[in-house]
Amino acid sequence: AQSVTQLGSHVSVSEGALVLLRCNYSSSVPPYLFWYVQYPNQGLQLLLKYTSAATLVKGINGFEAEFKKSETSFHLTKPSAHMSDAAEYFCAVSEEGGNKLVFGAGTILRVKS
Amino acid sequence: DGGITQSPKYLFRKEGQNVTLSCEQNLNHDAMYWYRQDPGQGLRLIYYSQIVNDFQKGDIAEGYSVSREKKESFPLTVTSAQKNPTAFYLCASSIQRQSPSQPQHFGDGTRLSIL
Repeated sequence: AQSVTQLGSHVSVSEGALVLLRCNYSSSVPPYLFWYVQYPNQGLQLLLKYTSAATLVKGINGFEAEFKKSETSFHLTKPSAHMSDAAEYFCAVSEEGGNKLVFGAGTILRVKS
Repeated sequence: DGGITQSPKYLFRKEGQNVTLSCEQNLNHDAMYWYRQDPGQGLRLIYYSQIVNDFQKGDIAEGYSVSREKKESFPLTVTSAQKNPTAFYLCASSIQRQSPSQPQHFGDGTRLSIL
C-alpha cells in the first residue's frame, strides 16, 4: 500500500529564508506525486506535480520540488519565504492504474517577520 | 468561472440527525471524491465516483452515504451512524477516471459541527 510521510508537522522560517518541506513516499511502482497548499478554511490548491517528465518540477508562487527515486523523496523548496507562504502544505501520491490520492499528514509553515 | 462549489460552508447537526453536504462542479470532470480532514491527520478518503451512477467506498466510508445521479453533483450524507462527525469535509474532482497523473481540484469545504 502506498504511504506518504511528511517530516515535521510544523516548520518555522524567517521571511527571506529558504523553505524546505520534506516528503517521503513508499510505492511499489513509479508514482505520481503532488504538492498542495491549503490556506485557513479553504480547499487545497495544486502547487506542482511530478509525472516522470522531469525530476525537477517547478510550480506556482516560486516553489519547486525534486524527485529522487533513490531516496524515495519529493521535497518542496522555495529560495526565499514570503509572509503570504504561511499555510499548510500536503504531499500526495497516486499510482499508475489507480485514481486515488494518498495524502501525508501535512506541514504547517509559519513565516516570521 | 469553472470550479467546485460546496455548500453550506458551516453546518451544525444535532445528535441522531442525518445531514447532507452539497458538492457541485462545472468542470465537466468524470471523477469526484469526498475527503474528511481532521487536524494532524491529513485528508482521508470517504467515497469516490468515477462515473455517473457508480461509486466506491474509500478508507473511512462507515457512517456516510453518497449518490451520483448527475455528472456535476456528488452529495454526501453524514448519517447518525457516524459517531464522530465533527470535521472539515472537502469535495474534489478530476478530469478522467483511471487517470492518476491528473490532479484533483478541490472545493472550499464544509465545516460540520455537532450541537
